[in-house]
Amino acid sequence: GQSLEQPSEVTAVEGAIVQINCTYQTSGFYGLSWYQQHDGGAPTFLSYNALDGLEETGRFSSFLSRSDSYGYLLLQELQMKDSASYFCAVRDPSRQLTFGSGTQLTVLP
Amino acid sequence: DTAVSQTPKYLVTQMGNDKSIKCEQNLGHDTMYWYKQDSKKFLKIMFSYNNKELIINETVPNRFSPKSPDKAHLNLHINSLELGDSAVYFCASSQDRDGYTFGSGTRLTVV
Repeated sequence: GQSLEQPSEVTAVEGAIVQINCTYQTSGFYGLSWYQQHDGGAPTFLSYNALDGLEETGRFSSFLSRSDSYGYLLLQELQMKDSASYFCAVRDPSRQLTFGSGTQLTVLP
Repeated sequence: DTAVSQTPKYLVTQMGNDKSIKCEQNLGHDTMYWYKQDSKKFLKIMFSYNNKELIINETVPNRFSPKSPDKAHLNLHINSLELGDSAVYFCASSQDRDGYTFGSGTRLTVV
């Protein structure tokens, strides 16, 4: 089976940088994904890491270390609209995603 | 055009009823999924289906059944609804290693 751990809440101010960590235990691993979900909305895809290292997409970056079963999402130049829940998710060989419990990010003015 | 659309958006029904949620994707993806999100925002896989294989999460009661009339549709049927079935249900689709595209969700309330 799969299990993931991520912090339940993170708070930061506008313009700051925040890192959301995710550790996982899996019986089969094909990659680590990150999704953003605003209240009342649908999860939206942010990034996917299949190999070790850093992937950058605009203000968001995602990192993976397969040897440590660890990844993180880095959000830079935080904006109020970044307030949302962020989920890490592990893809197994059948392509199913198992999600972490989510991190509620609150961005303060 | 909405990529993954599901209907209805809200569904309020009584215990014991049978209901269906429809899902359609126009992305040409080969795999579709149903997820349940509870009040604590935990997203749990229920089913994944492509034209070759249906994978059912073992914790899903057999009152829940997916039906796929074609590659672009994966509907969710629920029999004998229970209070604990109240949640938001998300349909999603994907292709190969691409990220999932989720529908806007169906908020089911069982009273």
